[in-house]
Amino acid sequence: GENVEQHPSTLSVQEGDSAVIKCTYSDSASNYFPWYKQELGKRPQLIIDIRSNVGEKKDQRIAVTLNKTAKHFSLHITETQPEDSAVYFCAARGGTGGGNKLTFGTGTQLKVEL
Amino acid sequence: DGGITQSPKYLFRKEGQNVTLSCEQNLNHDAMYWYRQDPGQGLRLIYYSQIVNDFQKGDIAEGYSVSREKKESFPLTVTSAQKNPTAFYLCASSILQGGLYGYTFGSGTRLTVV
Repeated sequence: GENVEQHPSTLSVQEGDSAVIKCTYSDSASNYFPWYKQELGKRPQLIIDIRSNVGEKKDQRIAVTLNKTAKHFSLHITETQPEDSAVYFCAARGGTGGGNKLTFGTGTQLKVEL
Repeated sequence: DGGITQSPKYLFRKEGQNVTLSCEQNLNHDAMYWYRQDPGQGLRLIYYSQIVNDFQKGDIAEGYSVSREKKESFPLTVTSAQKNPTAFYLCASSILQGGLYGYTFGSGTRLTVV
């Protein structure tokens, strides 16, 4: 089955700096890669996703890049703000059956300091 | 509540008891999922269902059971066979057509063994 690794586990940046979170996946047939943000005590919320036929996608201050050859994808947050502080999860949908089943990374705790 | 409702929000279980967590969605989504969240381990898949009266085991199904008698409902039972049930449980649902959609999550149930 699919295996997703996520790094770093914790990330601390100064307000206004950029933050990058990286994930690798094992199933070369994986075709969908969403990112979720989870604030303390709340449910995960989808913030951006990318499909395997696209190399990059951007939505205001967040962007995701995908390198299918290397089997890794990254989340980029620019001009970070205190409200960006949360746990971020990457996920991958394996291409070998299982419907829309997602495998998640272990999460990155992002802290944006004033 | 985002179209997917979990109850109760907090649940306490005594040793040897079975408990059932409720998950209901009004999004007309075909697929539903149960994940367990533990600190530092991300989200791990317990069970998922793509259609009524059918479900599949995820990565950590031992000690859990589910049913899918209605499209809207996917309850999870934590049995006494689950040795370490204290965790945060998240239910999710998704569209299946095309297979490339993110999840909508419920607000979660925090289960504690007392």
